[in-house]
Amino acid sequence: AQSVTQPDIHITVSEGASLELRCNYSYGATPYLFWYVQSPGQGLQLLLKYFSGDTLVQGIKGFEAEFKRSQSSFNLRKPSVHWSDAAEYFCAVGLNRDDKIIFGKGTRLHILP
Amino acid sequence: EAGVTQSPTHLIKTRGQQVTLRCSPISGHTSVYWYQQALGLGLQFLLWYDEGEERNRGNFPPRFSGRQFPNYSSELNVNALELEDSALYLCASSLGQGLYNEQFFGPGTRLTVL
Repeated sequence: AQSVTQPDIHITVSEGASLELRCNYSYGATPYLFWYVQSPGQGLQLLLKYFSGDTLVQGIKGFEAEFKRSQSSFNLRKPSVHWSDAAEYFCAVGLNRDDKIIFGKGTRLHILP
Repeated sequence: EAGVTQSPTHLIKTRGQQVTLRCSPISGHTSVYWYQQALGLGLQFLLWYDEGEERNRGNFPPRFSGRQFPNYSSELNVNALELEDSALYLCASSLGQGLYNEQFFGPGTRLTVL
C-alpha cells in the first residue's frame, strides 16, 4: 500500500541551529512530493514541491528539500532555524498528476531560545 | 484577495446527529478538497470536487458525503456522527484539477462529537 512516513513525531532544535526533517515514501514510481507547514492560526501552507528535474528543491522561508530516489526519501532542511519556524510539518505525496495527496502524520518542531 | 473560507469555525454535536460543513474557495478556483485531521493521524484525504463533479474519494464510509455547487463552493455532510469523527476538517481549493495546481487551505472547522 502507498504510504508516507515521517519517523519523528517531535523534534527540538535550538534557534540558529540547522534542521533536517525526514520523510520516506513507499511507491513503485517517483511520486509528486510536497512539504507543508501548519502554524497556529495560519493554516496549512505549501513550503515546496518536487515533480521532476533537479533533485534539490528550494522553497519559501529558506527551506529546501532533496529527493533521493535510492532511499525513497524527501527530507526537508534549513541551515538556521528561527523561533517563528516552530510549527508542524507535513510531508505529502501524490502518485500521478490527477491523484489525491497523501499526507504523513507530521513532525512537530520545537525551537529552544 | 480573500483566501479559502470555512464555516462554522467550531461545532459541537452528539453521537448520531448529522452535520454540514461549508467551504468557499478562492475566487477563480474550480477544485475543492476536503481533509480530516484527527489528533495524531495527520491529514486524511476525504473528497475532491472539480467543476461540480466528484473526482476522487478517500477511504471513508458513505456517511461522509458532499457536493460542489455551480459557484464552486462546497459542502461536506457527515451523517450518524461517531465519537471518532471529532477532528479538524480542512478544505482546500486549487485553480484546476491536478497536482500541478497548488492547494490553498482554509482555517478549518473544529468538530467535537460528544
